[in-house]
Order: sequence, then C-alpha cells, then structure tokens
Amino acid sequence: EAGVVQSPRYKIIEKKQPVAFWCNPISGHNTLYWYRQNLGQGPELLIRYENEEAVDDSQLPKDRFSAERLKGVDSTLKIQPAELGDSAVYLCASRPGQGLGSYNEQFFGPGTRLTVL
Amino acid sequence: GQNIDQPTEMTATEGAIVQINCTYQTSGFNGLFWYQQHAGEAPTFLSYNVLDGLEEKGRFSSFLSRSKGYSYLLLKELQMKDSASYLCALESQAGTALIFGKGTTLSVSS
Repeated sequence: EAGVVQSPRYKIIEKKQPVAFWCNPISGHNTLYWYRQNLGQGPELLIRYENEEAVDDSQLPKDRFSAERLKGVDSTLKIQPAELGDSAVYLCASRPGQGLGSYNEQFFGPGTRLTVL
Repeated sequence: GQNIDQPTEMTATEGAIVQINCTYQTSGFNGLFWYQQHAGEAPTFLSYNVLDGLEEKGRFSSFLSRSKGYSYLLLKELQMKDSASYLCALESQAGTALIFGKGTTLSVSS
C-alpha cells in the first residue's frame, strides 16, 4: 500500500514569493492533516480536513496561508507571501475515518522542507 | 491548554536499555502516542496507550500513568538504527488531533 505522498520534497524561495505544497493521502483515508515542524520541535497542527471540509483551521495563519482539499482526496497548502519565519518542514498526514484504524494513528508523509531566503 | 515535556537529548550504547520519559499537564485526553522520526523522514507510529499500564511491542514498550501525568517509552537491545527523535503526543478527547512534545533525540553508539 502506498504511503502519504508529498511534493516537492525541498523548496527554496525568496521572501515575499508564493509557494505551494501538495499532498496525496493514503487511499480511503478521510481525515487529512497539515502540520508545520520547526527544527528541534514536534509537529504543530495547521489544519485538519474531514473529507473536503476544513473542520479545524484555528492554528492556520489565515492572512498568508490557505489550503484546499477538492473532492476530499488530494490537498494543497499555499503560502503567499512567504516570510523568513516560514522556513520549516511541512508535513501532511492522513488517517482512516474515526474508529476505523487499529489505533487511530496518523500516517505521515516525508514532508516538504521549505527554506525562505 | 496542554504542556508536554521530554528530555531534549539522550545517548546510549548498542545493546543497552533506554527509557525516554514524557510528562504532561492537560485538562483531558483520549490516549497517548509515541512516534519515531529519523532525521529528514516522516514520523512513524510506535505505540499507543489509552489505559494505564504497560504496552509491549517487541523491543519497544510504552507505559502510561494518568494519575501521575507521566509516560515513558522503553527501548531494549538498542541498535544503531534506533538513533532517531522520539515524539510523545497527546490525543485530544475527541480523538481527532495530536499535540506533540518537542521530541527526544536519541543517539546510539557502538
């Protein structure tokens, strides 16, 4: 079974430029998460989707960040414009519907490492 | 809010046993996860505790005490490949979100 796929793996941009990250979750997983992980820190939730609905975006900086999950499968996360402090690894994770997994664990993709110069 | 504390770094030698502690303050949670993350890679699921006590999975075991606000991950017969970051995470009461600690970087030497 294929895991969570993310692209690109690495991205270097200059500040004030836009950037987008793409995530393809595990087939059949209804729940999708975007996390940001700063160096030496644990992942921090940005947004959670249940199918195509964003049900928790309280931690998403909405002035510059946006996300979508059209058709409830793939998702994109966008930053416009990027700032120096946005340099981090952006992780996507997915999970089967509530109660359908053995431990309800989240499955993570390899992440996109963003460097803003 | 929730607060999760883990040691920043630990070192150990091959074949040894190491215990990584996680203490937390929270108003409530559903369960506690441990994830392993090798440098530059995705976090991968190790264990989950919802009841107090010890959960054993091969060389790895995890323990939870809700009354003490405390969990640990026990790694036995350490191998070089166990060098990684170990993340403790609380699952929200609804079971929909994870709050991660900062992680403990374990270095295993020969």
